[in-house]
Amino acid sequence: DVKVTQSSRYLVKRTGEKVFLECVQDMDHENMFWYRQDPGLGLRLIYFSYDVKMKEKGDIPEGYSVSREKKERFSLILESASTNQTSMYLCASSFHGTGGLTLHFGNGTRLTVT
Amino acid sequence: EDQVTQSPEALRLQEGESSSLNCSYTVSGLRGLFWYRQDPGKGPEFLFTLYSAGEEKEKERLKATLTKKESFLHITAPKPEDSATYLCAVQASNAGNMLTFGGGTRLMVKP
Repeated sequence: DVKVTQSSRYLVKRTGEKVFLECVQDMDHENMFWYRQDPGLGLRLIYFSYDVKMKEKGDIPEGYSVSREKKERFSLILESASTNQTSMYLCASSFHGTGGLTLHFGNGTRLTVT
Repeated sequence: EDQVTQSPEALRLQEGESSSLNCSYTVSGLRGLFWYRQDPGKGPEFLFTLYSAGEEKEKERLKATLTKKESFLHITAPKPEDSATYLCAVQASNAGNMLTFGGGTRLMVKP
């Protein structure tokens, strides 16, 4: 079974702090994704990466950056956390194939910014 | 712009009471439609992919169907363990690696 592991289940940070969310997958997937999930807004894509050192902006990249130095690891960085970044953050991975994009998700990190 | 709308937002069923969840979509060419199940405090878990109108897939008490404008997730004789939020997502032909998700349907099955 594919395993996508997010380093923290819960995080509490202060406004202005730099925050790192880490994600590791064990299935040699090319694609990795960061989503945030908010009540009433559903899942929204922040960034994705289709290869090491490659990244693409999603629907809501403002206030975030990402890093992918190794194939199995994808990090989401909040340069200066703000209260409107309080959310559930979900990492996902998938193969880069010609078929549909089947995502495998981690269990999420619930971030609270105070 | 690709859009996905799920209805109802919430659904309460008695154990054994069959029903359907709806996912209406608007995309400029469908590459795939996906159903996921999400339990509280966990990430979404993949259920099905449908690629073309008329396609159907089944897994235990769940059956997903697809038309050119919508998909249904039919739940036959549900059990309390089927309680979860069900998410629908579409991948457009020109969207590369991006999915558009609906808001989900929260299903509660009472014993």
